[in-house]
Amino acid sequence: QVTLKESGPVLVKSTETLTLTCTVSGFSLSNARMGVSWIRQPPGKALEWLAHIFSNDEKSYNTSLKSRLTISKDTSKSQVILTMTNMDPVDAATYYCARCNSGAYYGFDYWGQGTQVTVSS
Amino acid sequence: DIQMTQSPSSLSASVGDGVTITCRASQSISSYLNWYQQKPGTAPKLLIYAASNLQSGVPSRFSGGGSGTHFTLTISSLQPEDFATYYCQQSYTTPRTFGQGTKVEI
Repeated sequence: QVTLKESGPVLVKSTETLTLTCTVSGFSLSNARMGVSWIRQPPGKALEWLAHIFSNDEKSYNTSLKSRLTISKDTSKSQVILTMTNMDPVDAATYYCARCNSGAYYGFDYWGQGTQVTVSS
Repeated sequence: DIQMTQSPSSLSASVGDGVTITCRASQSISSYLNWYQQKPGTAPKLLIYAASNLQSGVPSRFSGGGSGTHFTLTISSLQPEDFATYYCQQSYTTPRTFGQGTKVEI
């Protein structure tokens, strides 16, 4: 059974760095067919893709947020970590991690439940 | 970056109606187009991948079509559980991008 679960702070302050962890089970982060993305959704707004890490450790980032984002993984712990620096109230959102499956044309076939992040000014 | 544009942004329909949502890409993405359904307070769910392939467990009233830059999601006969927001997403290249969503309301 494939599961992903996000964890991290519920509240951060402006200018602080947000660190989120996605713990996966039911598949390996070293599986060449799988990768993990982070996606966020501000309240009442659309989904926004943030970053992706492939099994070979190749990384990709949202163009406009690239300077603030870092994605990494710890395969032994089955975890994918996202850091976002210099947080601002506009970054308040539900943050999801999702599995990307090359067998599904790189669609996101499994998602975590999401973790809501508030940013205080 | 590839821009994804959905239309309409919202639509009203009744149970039993057929509806079609359109997604356009700013450049050709071949068939690397996926559709998701999201209900309030829950994570998105993959409905269709590779433009026209139904994800396992998704009812056959959902269908997808298109290639290149123009894609459609059709629900043949709306059921009460289908009232939700639908997103398209391109997986042709990184950065990945989503459409702005289409809310299907009663």
